[in-house]
Order: sequence, then C-alpha cells, then structure tokens
Amino acid sequence: AQKVTQTQTSISVMEKTTVTMDCVYETQDSSYFLFWYKQTASGEIVFLIRQDSYKKENATVGHYSLNFQKPKSSIGLIITATQIEDSAVYFCAMREEGTNTGKLTFGDGTVLTVKP
Amino acid sequence: GPKVLQIPSHQIIDMGQMVTLNCDPVSNHLYFYWYKQILGQQMEFLVNFYNGKVMEKSKLFKDQFSVERPDGSYFTLKIQPTALEDSAVYFCASSLEQTNTEVFFGKGTRLTVV
Repeated sequence: AQKVTQTQTSISVMEKTTVTMDCVYETQDSSYFLFWYKQTASGEIVFLIRQDSYKKENATVGHYSLNFQKPKSSIGLIITATQIEDSAVYFCAMREEGTNTGKLTFGDGTVLTVKP
Repeated sequence: GPKVLQIPSHQIIDMGQMVTLNCDPVSNHLYFYWYKQILGQQMEFLVNFYNGKVMEKSKLFKDQFSVERPDGSYFTLKIQPTALEDSAVYFCASSLEQTNTEVFFGKGTRLTVV
C-alpha cells in the first residue's frame, strides 16, 4: 500500500532564506508520480510542482525545486528566497502508475511560517 | 491554472438531513475525486469516479454517501442521512488522466452538521 510521510510538523524561517521540507514515500510500484501542493490560509489547495519517478533530473518551477533521491524514497521540496506569502501548509502526495483509479495519497502536511 | 468550482462554499445542516455538495470539474477532465479534511489536517481520499462509475472508495465512504455526474453536469457528493462526524471540509478534484497528470482541487465546501 502506498504511504507518504512528512516528519516535519512545522518550520519557521526568516524571509528571503531557503527552506527544505522533507517527504518520504512507500510504494510497490516501479512507476509513480510525486507532487507538492500548498494549502493557503483561505483553505485553497494549489498545485506547485511534480516529479515523475522515471526522470532523474530534479524538477524546478519558479522558486520551487525538488530534491529527488529515489534510492531513499525521498522527495524534498526546496523554496528559495522565501516570501511572507509562502506561509502555508505544504502537502506531499503520490500517485502510482499501477493504480486503476489515480488516487492521490497525501502526507500529513508541514506548516511553514515565513517571518519578516 | 485550471479551475474546479465547488458550490456552496459553506453549508450548515441538521443531523439526519440530506446534503448535496456540487462540483464543476475542469471542462476536459475525465477523473473526478472527493477528499475530506478535518480541521486543516490530512487530506483523506473518499472516492474517485470515471466514466460514470465509482472506481475506488475508501472506508470513509460510508453507505450514506453517494456520487454521480448526471449527463456531464455537476459531479455531486450526496450524504443521506448526515451525521455529526460528517462535519469537515470536502474537496472536489479532477484530472485529465489517470496518473500522469496533476490533480486540481476546488476551494472546498465546509460542511457543518448540527
């Protein structure tokens, strides 16, 4: 069964610094897709970035990038030059290729607070 | 990005009554989902729907829950009868493909059962 674990409950950083959020996953599937979402204070869930398991290159979108370490089943999210508005809950999630439903399994989330 | 619309944003209902949560998925998407979130905690999968059928449902998807998308209109989650523990935020989501694409979420419907 697929499982996603985010061990950091909360992180607090100063504005304009770099933060890394951890995520490890468990899957029996050889092909899978990893996602990071952000839930804002209003509750909205926003897709940020994805990594396909067969791709060796780490994904980058704007000031978000991923640290994909496949042997460790790890997919960390890196936010550079953090801004106050990056304060939110960040969820790691996974979809398995072998599923016949496309279900997205989430971690418990990490609360990020960016301070001025 | 693509928008998933949910109506209403808030709903208060008496325990035992029926409630229908409505979702307008992204127009060309084929896979639809409902997730439940309590108090901003973990996003818990309820059900997914494709080609007019439930593909998978979790243990949270009780017998009182049902989903449908009649004639390509709203994708709905119906709870009948409601219970106090059904109070949560329900998120609708959709995706174009089964696995190889992003899943986009609506803003959620906050359901309060009193």
